[in-house]
Amino acid sequence: EVQLVESGGRLVQPGGSLRLSCAASGFGFSSHEMTWVRQAPGKGLEWLSNIGSSGSTIYYADSVKGRFTISRDNAKNSLDLEMNSLRAEDTAVYYCARIITFGGVIGGILDSWGQGTLVTVSS
Amino acid sequence: DIQMTQSPSSLSASVGDRVTISCRASQRISNFLNWYQQKPGKAPKLLIYAASNAASSLQSGVPSGFSGSGSGTDFTLTISSLQPEDFATYYCQQSYSTPYTFGQGTKLEI
Repeated sequence: EVQLVESGGRLVQPGGSLRLSCAASGFGFSSHEMTWVRQAPGKGLEWLSNIGSSGSTIYYADSVKGRFTISRDNAKNSLDLEMNSLRAEDTAVYYCARIITFGGVIGGILDSWGQGTLVTVSS
Repeated sequence: DIQMTQSPSSLSASVGDRVTISCRASQRISNFLNWYQQKPGKAPKLLIYAASNAASSLQSGVPSGFSGSGSGTDFTLTISSLQPEDFATYYCQQSYSTPYTFGQGTKLEI
C-alpha cells in the first residue's frame, strides 16, 4: 500500500524558516516524480513544486520560487521542502503527492497523497 | 500560466441526482486533465485522470460512479447518481505544463 506521511509543520514567525519532510513507503520511490501542493485555510489547492525521480529536474510555482527548495533522498525514501522567508500567506496545509504517468505520455497525475502537515506563519 | 475555471463554484443536489461539473482551460491542453475529490479535513483523492480514465481502475478505495469527458479546453465530470458519500469539493487540474494549475473547486452540497 502506498503511504506518504508528512511532518515538520508548526507555528513559525514571519521571515522564519521551516523544513517539511515526506516519508514514502509501499512503492518504488526512486521511480516516481514527486510534488508538493498546499491549501490555505478555506481555500483551494495550489501546486508548489515538482521534482523528477532522480532529483535532476525541478520546477517551482512563481509564488515560492527563490524561497522554497524541494529535494529528495532516494536512499531514504524521503522528500523534503525547505521553506525560507516565510510569509503569512504561506499559512496552509502542505501535502506531498506521488506523480504517475499514463501511457508514457500524460504525466502530472497525482495519484496518492499524504494526510498533510499544517504550517502557520504568524507572530 | 494556464488558468483553469470551474463551474459552478457550488451546487446543491439530492441523492440520486445526476450532476455535471465543468472545467475550462485558458488554452488547449489535449487530455492532460485530472479530477480530484476532497472531503473536509482530508487529502484530495484522484477520481479521473487523462480526462476520461477512472482512477478506480488504478487503486482500491476510489469511488465509482464518476465519469469524465472532454479534450482541448472544455472538460466535464459527471456523477451518474449521487450517493451520500459524494458530497464533497471537486477540483480539476491540468498537467499539460508547469505550473500544474487547479481549478478553484466546486462544492457539492445536499
